[in-house]
Amino acid sequence: EDQVTQSPEALRLQEGESSSLNCSYTVSGLRGLFWYRQDPGKGPEFLFTLYSAGEEKEKERLKATLTKKESFLHITAPKPEDSATYLCAVARYSGGGADGLTFGKGTHLIIQP
Amino acid sequence: DVKVTQSSRYLVKRTGEKVFLECVQDMDHENMFWYRQDPGLGLRLIYFSYDVKMKEKGDIPEGYSVSREKKERFSLILESASTNQTSMYLCASSLPGPQHFGDGTRLSIL
Repeated sequence: EDQVTQSPEALRLQEGESSSLNCSYTVSGLRGLFWYRQDPGKGPEFLFTLYSAGEEKEKERLKATLTKKESFLHITAPKPEDSATYLCAVARYSGGGADGLTFGKGTHLIIQP
Repeated sequence: DVKVTQSSRYLVKRTGEKVFLECVQDMDHENMFWYRQDPGLGLRLIYFSYDVKMKEKGDIPEGYSVSREKKERFSLILESASTNQTSMYLCASSLPGPQHFGDGTRLSIL
C-alpha cells in the first residue's frame, strides 16, 4: 500500500530563516511526486512535479529535490506570504491513463515577520 | 490558466437526502477526480474518470457514485447522505500530469 509521511506537522520560522520540509514515501512504481501549496479555504495549488531520483525543481524561494525514498522542499529566506500548508503526493497508475494521488497530511508552515 | 469550478462553496443537507456535487473544468482535460479532505486524514481519492462515461473507484468509494456525461463536467453523488460524509470535497482535473484543483465544497450533513 502506498504511503506518504510528511514532517514536521507544523513549523514556525522567522522571516528570512531558511528550512526544509520532508516527505517520505513508499510506492510501487512511482509515476511522479507532486508538491502543492494550500491556503485556508482554497484548493491545493500545484507547485512541482519530480519523476526520478536526483531531479530538482526551483521556483522563487522554493526548491524541491527527490531521492529514492524521500523528497525535500527547501524554503530559502521565506517571507510571511509563504505561510501555508504544503502537501506532498505520489502518483500511482490507477486505470485508463489516469494517475490517482496519495497525499501526505501536510506541513503547516507559519512565517513570522 | 486551468480553471476548475465547483458549483457550491458551502452546502447543508439532511441525512438520507440524495446530494449532487458538480465540477466543471475549462481546459479539455481527459482526467477528472473527486477527493475528500478531513482533518487528520488528509486528502483521499473517492472516484475518478479518464474519459466520458468512464469511471474508476478510488480508495474510499463506499456511499458515493459519479457521473461524467460530458468531458468538462464531473458530478459526485451521495446516494443517501450520512453524517460521516460531512467533509470538504475537492474536484481536480488533469491531462496525464499534475492535477489542478477547485476551491472545494464544504458539505455538512445534519
